[in-house]
Amino acid sequence: QKEVEQNSGPLSVPEGAIASLNCTYSDRGSQSFFWYRQYSGKSPELIMFIYSNGDKEDGRFTAQLNKASQYVSLLIRDSQPSDSATYLCAVNTDTGNQFYFGTGTSLTVIP
Amino acid sequence: DTGVSQNPRHKITKRGQNVTFRCDPISEHNRLYWYRQTLGQGPEFLTYFQNEAQLEKSRLLSDRFSAERPKGSFSTLEIQRTEQGDSAMYLCASDVGELFFGEGSRLTVL
Repeated sequence: QKEVEQNSGPLSVPEGAIASLNCTYSDRGSQSFFWYRQYSGKSPELIMFIYSNGDKEDGRFTAQLNKASQYVSLLIRDSQPSDSATYLCAVNTDTGNQFYFGTGTSLTVIP
Repeated sequence: DTGVSQNPRHKITKRGQNVTFRCDPISEHNRLYWYRQTLGQGPEFLTYFQNEAQLEKSRLLSDRFSAERPKGSFSTLEIQRTEQGDSAMYLCASDVGELFFGEGSRLTVL
């Protein structure tokens, strides 16, 4: 079992809609959870992180964490064509020193 | 530029040759990571350093891969006797709780 699992998509949403991206992880002791965005040919860039159960909002982005279900999600409200990218879920291990990534979900926002 | 710096950005080599990539992390970051990323996949963890100590290397893909960080500053990743399957993007990152990535070094093995 891989440490982090994501639906690879592709996911297509119309401009202005909500995009929902999901991620599950296997290590129950994981402490920190991250969402990265990666444009084609570029390196990943951090969107946001979450440590505690519940929701965390940052602008149009909301991260949701459910440690009991070992589930992390990212909601993008009012999706824009510039949001079209691959979204990577990353988990920091129990020791806090290793980061594991999912395969990423490709998102396309259709104008 | 105070971000993570990697070079070369692109490397084309023939099968069997050795290649070395360099990473200069953000100066105040003690931890440095190497990842490999192939098309359509997420970054695959290879190894990491805390200062000059390599604390995890079991994920290096084979004994042809090695990494060093001799003075706790820059790091190098070497691949010996390259194979076509080594063609990938090699990403370096440093962290203080969240990873900051360099632009990557793309390797093409002919």
